[in-house]
Amino acid sequence: EPEVTQTPSHQVTQMGQEVILRCVPISNHLYFYWYRQILGQKVEFLVSFYNNEISEKSEIFDDQFSVERPDGSNFTLKIRSTKLEDSAMYFCASNDQGGAYEQYFGPGTRLTVT
Amino acid sequence: QKEVEQNSGPLSVPEGAIASLNCTYSDRGSQSFFWYRQYSGKSPELIMFIYSNGDKEDGRFTAQLNKASQYVSLLIRDSQPSDSATYLCAVGRTPGGSRLTFGEGTQLTVNP
Repeated sequence: EPEVTQTPSHQVTQMGQEVILRCVPISNHLYFYWYRQILGQKVEFLVSFYNNEISEKSEIFDDQFSVERPDGSNFTLKIRSTKLEDSAMYFCASNDQGGAYEQYFGPGTRLTVT
Repeated sequence: QKEVEQNSGPLSVPEGAIASLNCTYSDRGSQSFFWYRQYSGKSPELIMFIYSNGDKEDGRFTAQLNKASQYVSLLIRDSQPSDSATYLCAVGRTPGGSRLTFGEGTQLTVNP
């Protein structure tokens, strides 16, 4: 069964450093999403992406964040200058219908900012 | 008021019993409703989705939706210890958006 994959599984970085989290969505999906979950808190939407454009973003997704589809398979989330409060699990998701239809999540990247 | 509110847990049921998980939402424009299961340290796994009022059954799982009451529930019949997890309710507003808004989750423990 096709699934979303994410790398790395765990990333440790120092405050102020740039990080890039990578995702390979399900192959026939065209709509991509990033969510995050701070430890012990709920899953929060960050951004949705389709046709090389951001479709929707949340208040969390400020200028420190960017997304990119650098090639035909990868989807990335970049955090330009990490803060301690960026420490969280970051989940990539994808679907084939767009909109708020069924979204399938990857295993996540645990980001630890020290 | 929280956008998506789930019954506070933890919920504990004996093996073989029915587990009932509830969720209310505040946005009347919500059109899509999901139940995700999340094991500790893992990612959300989609187990049910429902878009129309009424019941939807899939194996041991039944999702129920009442848009007038802004209420969605998940019943798990014949609960198994492997069902022990946190269950996340998520709602979406489609068309008109792509984000899913999640509740804080209800932790379910099924005791052998």
